[in-house]
Amino acid sequence: KQEVTQIPAALSVPEGENLVLNCSFTDSAIYNLQWFRQDPGKGLTSLLLIQSSQREQTSGRLNASLDKSSGRSTLYIAASQPGDSATYLCAVIWETSGSRLTFGEGTQLTVNP
Amino acid sequence: DARVTQTPRDKVTEMGQEVTMRCQPILGHNTVFWYRQTMMQGLELLAYFRNRAPLDDSGMPKDRFSAEMPDATLATLKIQPSEPRDSAVYFCASGLAHWEQFFGPGTRLTVL
Repeated sequence: KQEVTQIPAALSVPEGENLVLNCSFTDSAIYNLQWFRQDPGKGLTSLLLIQSSQREQTSGRLNASLDKSSGRSTLYIAASQPGDSATYLCAVIWETSGSRLTFGEGTQLTVNP
Repeated sequence: DARVTQTPRDKVTEMGQEVTMRCQPILGHNTVFWYRQTMMQGLELLAYFRNRAPLDDSGMPKDRFSAEMPDATLATLKIQPSEPRDSAVYFCASGLAHWEQFFGPGTRLTVL
């Protein structure tokens, strides 16, 4: 079964800390992997898209890496800020699933001032 | 600033009533998705369209749910009759084929 897992489910860090969020997927035959941010009661904001041929993508303080062979992706957030507090979701499109995104459960991040 | 829009943002209705949710995808995007988010199940795909044709509706309860794209600027999701277990946030997203998907703000549905 094709599944996406995110660990940890929740993370609390002090402001300024660098942190890593983890995402794992069970089948390495993916088209791409997308990281989202969701604020409470809001929609999903796309952060980064990594295509299957890429190893990493960067946007500002965010860096996402992809290791297809091991079925893992990480989202690195540098110099965290209280405004980074949100739920971060990892989602995968597999080669056999059309354009369907399969989501992990998310990591709820709290950055304390 | 191109974005996906959804109406209504909130809907409270009674069991048995018909509910229609609407979505305007980003202009130029050829693929439109409907997802549902609940605490128990997380985010799940209900259906999606490419070039207005339905490609996958396997996640949708066929007896009560229907999705259509009357034109390239409008997608609709209808529930008839609604049930309390349909209470969730329904998101519309759009994109180009397998690429980045952009989500709307969602419709929060409460069925009493």
